[in-house]
Amino acid sequence: DQQVKQNSPSLSVQEGRISILNCDYTNSMFDYFLWYKKYPAEGPTFLISISSIKDKNEDGRFTVFLNKSAKHLSLHIVPSQPGDSAVYFCAASAWYSGAGSYQLTFGKGTKLSVIP
Amino acid sequence: DSGVTQTPKHLITATGQRVTLRCSPRSGDLSVYWYQQSLDQGLQFLIQYYNGEERAKGNILERFSAQQFPDLHSELNLSSLELGDSALYFCASSATRGAATNEQFFGPGTRLTVL
Repeated sequence: DQQVKQNSPSLSVQEGRISILNCDYTNSMFDYFLWYKKYPAEGPTFLISISSIKDKNEDGRFTVFLNKSAKHLSLHIVPSQPGDSAVYFCAASAWYSGAGSYQLTFGKGTKLSVIP
Repeated sequence: DSGVTQTPKHLITATGQRVTLRCSPRSGDLSVYWYQQSLDQGLQFLIQYYNGEERAKGNILERFSAQQFPDLHSELNLSSLELGDSALYFCASSATRGAATNEQFFGPGTRLTVL
């Protein structure tokens, strides 16, 4: 039972255009959301995050939007660059009382290809 | 470079064998997490250690175990290996035991191939 879903395994975008990566979640207890980027042969690296009390967070070319009522978030990259080609993972954070800590749940990832 | 190191990078072994994967967290980080990424799967959380103690368990098989040593490095032991255990295994570290922001820093991973 996937609690964090990235329904598009891949996405191709022309350089300079907007890339929109989507993520849906089912657990209403998630209260923080993160995007990680992964290049081949490397581990994921943190990109941008958003708290559940906000609906938008922007960092340079990257903007994350959160729609809590729809349990949906999206990552916008504008303008897209060839160096943005990577796998993007959506992750959600929730408190687990048994662990006494927050834990991350990841989606399966979306492979973004930016075409020059 | 995240500051998290993992060894070895690649491991090829046979079914039924046992292997040990090693992780050194970023300097100062007390939490270590282990994840498994199988083909077409997301990152599946396996287990977390904080300052030497197990904090949380995810989808970790009984054939798998882990520990965190006093110097904070961690090892993931996989035994009675099966073909389905072939995957990328990532280690991540964070400064806290698990804060809401929970930014984790990932190592480059160990690719395990079971033949």
